[in-house]
Amino acid sequence: DQQVKQNSPSLSVQEGRISILNCDYTNSMFDYFLWYKKYPAEGPTFLISISSIKDKNEDGRFTVFLNKSAKHLSLHIVPSQPGDSAVYFCAASTRGGADGLTFGKGTHLIIQP
Amino acid sequence: SQTIHQWPATLVQPVGSPLSLECTVEGTSNPNLYWYRQAAGRGLQLLFYSVGIGQISSEVPQNLSASRPQDRQFILSYKKLLLSDSGFYLCAWSVMTEAFFGQGTRLTVV
Repeated sequence: DQQVKQNSPSLSVQEGRISILNCDYTNSMFDYFLWYKKYPAEGPTFLISISSIKDKNEDGRFTVFLNKSAKHLSLHIVPSQPGDSAVYFCAASTRGGADGLTFGKGTHLIIQP
Repeated sequence: SQTIHQWPATLVQPVGSPLSLECTVEGTSNPNLYWYRQAAGRGLQLLFYSVGIGQISSEVPQNLSASRPQDRQFILSYKKLLLSDSGFYLCAWSVMTEAFFGQGTRLTVV
């Protein structure tokens, strides 16, 4: 039973446009959400996070939106750059922080020139 | 600054052989430590986590184990590898609201 779902295995976006990566979850006990970026053969790197008491968090080109009623969050990257091409993982925790994360399967973002 | 070391980067092992992967953390004390695995076509799966020396919690029933002999050392061990154990293994540590990952080990069982 997948508690964190990223239903798009891949996404192709033109350079300069907005990339929107989506994530849905089923466990209503999740109270902290994170996005990670992963290049091939490397460990994931932390991008941005959001607590369940907020509905938006912004950091530079990255914004995460949380809709608790829909159990849905999304990552917006504006504008998209070639270096953004990577696999993006959505992760969630029930412990208010980064303990024992449950990950989605990832979305492969491809930025086209 | 905190760093996490994980080795080796790649490994090819025969079926039935034992295996140990090691992870060490620098620059922090009493971290929570984790082992994750990413199998082909699947997301990151939590295998083990540890909140202190000798304290290991398992998230999956598998043919593997973990140990934490020192505060900043976390070891993942297989007694006998299966083909299905191939994947990308990641060690991580967390504090408060962030988790940090090692560079990972690509394991291929042949």
